[in-house]
Amino acid sequence: GAVVSQHPSWVICKSGTSVKIECRSLDFQATTMFWYRQFPKQSLMLMATSNEGSKATYEQGVEKDKFLINHASLTLSTLTVTSAHPEDSSFYICSARVTSAYEQYFGPGTRLTVT
Amino acid sequence: AQSVTQPDIHITVSEGASLELRCNYSYGATPYLFWYVQSPGQGLQLLLKYFSGDTLVQGIKGFEAEFKRSQSSFNLRKPSVHWSDAAEYFCAVGADGNKLVFGAGTILRVKS
Repeated sequence: GAVVSQHPSWVICKSGTSVKIECRSLDFQATTMFWYRQFPKQSLMLMATSNEGSKATYEQGVEKDKFLINHASLTLSTLTVTSAHPEDSSFYICSARVTSAYEQYFGPGTRLTVT
Repeated sequence: AQSVTQPDIHITVSEGASLELRCNYSYGATPYLFWYVQSPGQGLQLLLKYFSGDTLVQGIKGFEAEFKRSQSSFNLRKPSVHWSDAAEYFCAVGADGNKLVFGAGTILRVKS
């Protein structure tokens, strides 16, 4: 149980274009999902908290107009990187909170490369 | 604010040897503590968690961790390491807003 999927697992896009990443909870409903960014050989950096049916809460320093998050249903959250630039290249990981406070299950991640 | 320190960036152990990965946290109240493992290019898998009760917690894949309040530590242990345990390990603490704060991670290498 508590399986989280992400799609795509790997994407290459050209500078200036937008990319959408999906995060799905497959066997449970997730009222809260989280989006992280991970640079090579570094830890996870929380970008935003996504609550179903409401606006996402962004961490300090994260551009909300650049990283659009939508959580339209209890099983799906999306992250759209708008007008992507090479510095946006990174590994993006989502997670979903299960019933217990703080406990999160993670998706397999999406590798974004912007050329 | 909550924080997590993993003092060891890299650790190398021989296959079959015991393992201990260190984790220290900073939190005012009783913490919610987690250990996750990440294989290259993959997401994070939960190994074990501590919320309350018995301070020695058993997890998956033969791992265990011990919560020591006096030392603000939550070290991860395994009595006999397998080559498949080579990965990066992250300690995390629950923070305000149901968030997780992660340590910098420890890369485990297993030599045969």
